[in-house]
Amino acid sequence: DGGITQSPKYLFRKEGQNVTLSCEQNLNHDAMYWYRQDPGQGLRLIYYSQIVNDFQKGDIAEGYSVSREKKESFPLTVTSAQKNPTAFYLCASSLLAHAYNEQFFGPGTRLTVL
Amino acid sequence: AQKVTQAQTEISVVEKEDVTLDCVYETRDTTYYLFWYKQPPSGELVFLIRRNSFDEQNEISGRYSWNFQKSTSSFNFTITASQVVDSAVYFCAPSLTSGTYKYIFGTGTRLKVLA
Repeated sequence: DGGITQSPKYLFRKEGQNVTLSCEQNLNHDAMYWYRQDPGQGLRLIYYSQIVNDFQKGDIAEGYSVSREKKESFPLTVTSAQKNPTAFYLCASSLLAHAYNEQFFGPGTRLTVL
Repeated sequence: AQKVTQAQTEISVVEKEDVTLDCVYETRDTTYYLFWYKQPPSGELVFLIRRNSFDEQNEISGRYSWNFQKSTSSFNFTITASQVVDSAVYFCAPSLTSGTYKYIFGTGTRLKVLA
């Protein structure tokens, strides 16, 4: 089955630690995205990548970093510089980074900072 | 500012009732696309429908229908004969064609369908 996988489902981190969230897709999509969702809120774009070895900051990139070394993988690192990292993180992909294309989402990772 | 307003925070209906979810948006773009996504309790968003801004013909797809009116910047979504499995958070999301490509997500409407 084609789709997007995210791991882990739940993640706990101590303050001051960096943590990396995994996102893999086997849909052969060029574009991939990371969103953050806080309780009762919509999704906010952290980073997106239109193609391998390229990525762009979204609306709330501070304290986060990404890489896109392979087409199918787009890991997100939450650094200690992110002041309030506790949230639900969703990865998505689309065939192309075009306004027309619908996005396919993974099941999400819930990050809690202790 | 470009933004989306989903004024209904939570709606409860009894199974088999029809329900309409409202969406009003603001954008400077003249061409854009409008999406509705569903987020069930499992967490992942699921694509439901897409509409472009240059065709105001309203459509029906199974139990889903939508009413797009560019003059009032509204894109309402209706579920006919609701079912318990429709219980979820629904997001309206315009997708812009100018500048940085991205969706603008509303805050969502939580729909509870009671048996």
